[in-house]
Amino acid sequence: DTGVSQDPRHKITKRGQNVTFRCDPISEHNRLYWYRQTLGQGPEFLTYFQNEAQLEKSRLLSDRFSAERPKGSFSTLEIQRTEQGDSAMYLCASSNRTRLRETQYFGPGTRLLVL
Amino acid sequence: AQSVTQPDIHITVSEGASLELRCNYSYGATPYLFWYVQSPGQGLQLLLKYFSGDTLVQGIKGFEAEFKRSQSSFNLRKPSVHWSDAAEYFCAVGTGFQKLVFGTGTRLLVSP
Repeated sequence: DTGVSQDPRHKITKRGQNVTFRCDPISEHNRLYWYRQTLGQGPEFLTYFQNEAQLEKSRLLSDRFSAERPKGSFSTLEIQRTEQGDSAMYLCASSNRTRLRETQYFGPGTRLLVL
Repeated sequence: AQSVTQPDIHITVSEGASLELRCNYSYGATPYLFWYVQSPGQGLQLLLKYFSGDTLVQGIKGFEAEFKRSQSSFNLRKPSVHWSDAAEYFCAVGTGFQKLVFGTGTRLLVSP
C-alpha cells in the first residue's frame, strides 16, 4: 500500500494558462475524490468518480474545470484559463466502495499559485 | 444540508497538558464522523472515525473522540499533548458513500 500520490506537489502559473494535475489512488480503491482547500479553510468537495464514471460535480466546479479518470485508475484535473482565485491546495482522496463504511484517504495535495 | 462547526480557530496548549477540540455537526441521518490532521503544506491524515457502535473511539497517536448524539458533537481529546501534535485538525461528516463535509479547522499550538 503506497498511499495516494499527487503530481506535481507545487505549481506556479500565470493567469490565463492551463494546468493539469494528476492523482494516483491506492491501487484497489474504486472511488476517487477531488477537493479544493483555500487558505484558512477546510477542504471543499469538487467531484468524485466511481471507477471511470464521474458521478457528482460540485457547483464550485466551473466550466473551466474538467476531471477525468479514463481507465478507472489515475485521475487528472485540468483548469483552463486559470484565474488568481484558483490559487489553492487541490487534494485527491480515494476509497474502497465495496466496503459498506468507506474511509477516504488523502494524498499530499498539489498547491497551485496563479500569478 | 450537512455542516460541521469547529468553534475554535486556534488553541494553545502546554506540552503535557490535556487537549479537547470541539466539533458540532448538522446532519439529518446517522452521521459518519471523522477527524483528520494536517501538517503545514501537507495532505490530510486520518486520526479516527466513527460509524456506529461504541461512542468512544480510539485513534492513532493517542487520540480519542466521543460521539454524543444528543449534543450533535464529536469532540477530539488527548490526555497529554506532545510538541509534535502541533498541526491543524479537521472534523468531517460523511454521508456514507459520497463527499465529506469539513469544518474550517482548529489550529493547535503547543507551548513548551
